[in-house]
Amino acid sequence: KQEVTQIPAALSVPEGENLVLNCSFTDSAIYNLQWFRQDPGKGLTSLLLIQSSQREQTSGRLNASLDKSSGRSTLYIAASQPGDSATYLCAVYTGGFKTIFGAGTRLFVKA
Amino acid sequence: DAGVTQSPTHLIKTRGQQVTLRCSPKSGHDTVSWYQQALGQGPQFIFQYYEEEERQRGNFPDRFSGHQFPNYSSELNVNALLLGDSALYLCASSARGSNYGYTFGSGTRLTVV
Repeated sequence: KQEVTQIPAALSVPEGENLVLNCSFTDSAIYNLQWFRQDPGKGLTSLLLIQSSQREQTSGRLNASLDKSSGRSTLYIAASQPGDSATYLCAVYTGGFKTIFGAGTRLFVKA
Repeated sequence: DAGVTQSPTHLIKTRGQQVTLRCSPKSGHDTVSWYQQALGQGPQFIFQYYEEEERQRGNFPDRFSGHQFPNYSSELNVNALLLGDSALYLCASSARGSNYGYTFGSGTRLTVV
């Protein structure tokens, strides 16, 4: 059974700091891994999608890496800003009909 | 290009009542998945619809049911509401056979009192 864990559960950093969010999964047989952002009470916004054959994806100040063999992904946020404050979720797609989510990391960036 | 549209945005129901939530997928998507997200938790998979059939179901009771229409839109029905059903319900669409991830709607906040 696939399980997805995100560490830390919450993180508070000063503005301008570079930070790393972690996601681990127990079954390496995944098709892709997707990072989402969720603002309080809102839906999910896709940030980056990494296919199983890829090692990383970049979008602006965000970089996500994937190491299937070790069951890990990291989301790197450069030069954090108060507007980055949100919950970040990772999700793995293992084929079939569903995607498994982690519980998320709540990020607060202090001005 | 419209993304995933969910209605209503907020809903308050009484225990024992029934509720219907609606979802219109992103243009070009034919598969709809429903998730329940309790406060402080990650989304939990309820079920997925493709070609108007439920393809797989998560660990949710039969009180949760759904439907997909020929235009790919979908409904989530919950009967005999419990206080514990209070949550954010998220709809996600995708293209069957595509490996390009999900697009989520903004969700419906259901409060059961």
